[in-house]
Amino acid sequence: DAGVIQSPRHEVTEMGQEVTLRCKPISGHDYLFWYRQTMMRGLELLIYFNNNVPIDDSGMPEDRFSAKMPNASFSTLKIQPSEPRDSAVYFCASSFRPTGELFFGEGSRLTVL
Amino acid sequence: QKEVEQNSGPLSVPEGAIASLNCTYSDRGSQSFFWYRQYSGKSPELIMFIYSNGDKEDGRFTAQLNKASQYVSLLIRDSQPSDSATYLCAVRIATSYGKLTFGQGTILTVHP
Repeated sequence: DAGVIQSPRHEVTEMGQEVTLRCKPISGHDYLFWYRQTMMRGLELLIYFNNNVPIDDSGMPEDRFSAKMPNASFSTLKIQPSEPRDSAVYFCASSFRPTGELFFGEGSRLTVL
Repeated sequence: QKEVEQNSGPLSVPEGAIASLNCTYSDRGSQSFFWYRQYSGKSPELIMFIYSNGDKEDGRFTAQLNKASQYVSLLIRDSQPSDSATYLCAVRIATSYGKLTFGQGTILTVHP
């Protein structure tokens, strides 16, 4: 299996622009997670899905952030408008059960100028 | 109090020594505990998980759990330079079924 695939790997944008991050989970994994990692706050859970349905979005920082999972093989995390404080590495992870191991993608490093 | 706290580090040990990484958690309902390793610029990868009190060994790694003290640790025996990485403790509580909460991580450096 190719593992969790994220794109883009790097994104540099200007404040106010829309950013869309993409994730393809491992086939057969019913759980998909979006995490954000910064030096100050570490690895934080933003939202997770089960069978394409959002289960817990309490970690989404504000309305500028939205996530969707239109099908079992694709999810997006959108930031609109972006701000410099959104600069971070965003990881997507998947799991075949909620209590199981998380398999992380390589991450998308976002820089907002 | 943070939900998951790790000793701040960085931790530096000589090659061949035992590295001890510690983690405490605040929620007594926590059910399962994980240690992830993250190399610089890479994504976290699972090293070990532990659910029950006591020790769990896997090769050079031993996870120790004490639920009464709300404490979990990771011991790395015969440390190698390739073990140099950030080690993340993660905890799952029963009431947040799918949510894994991570500590800030401890940077470990193993010097030759």
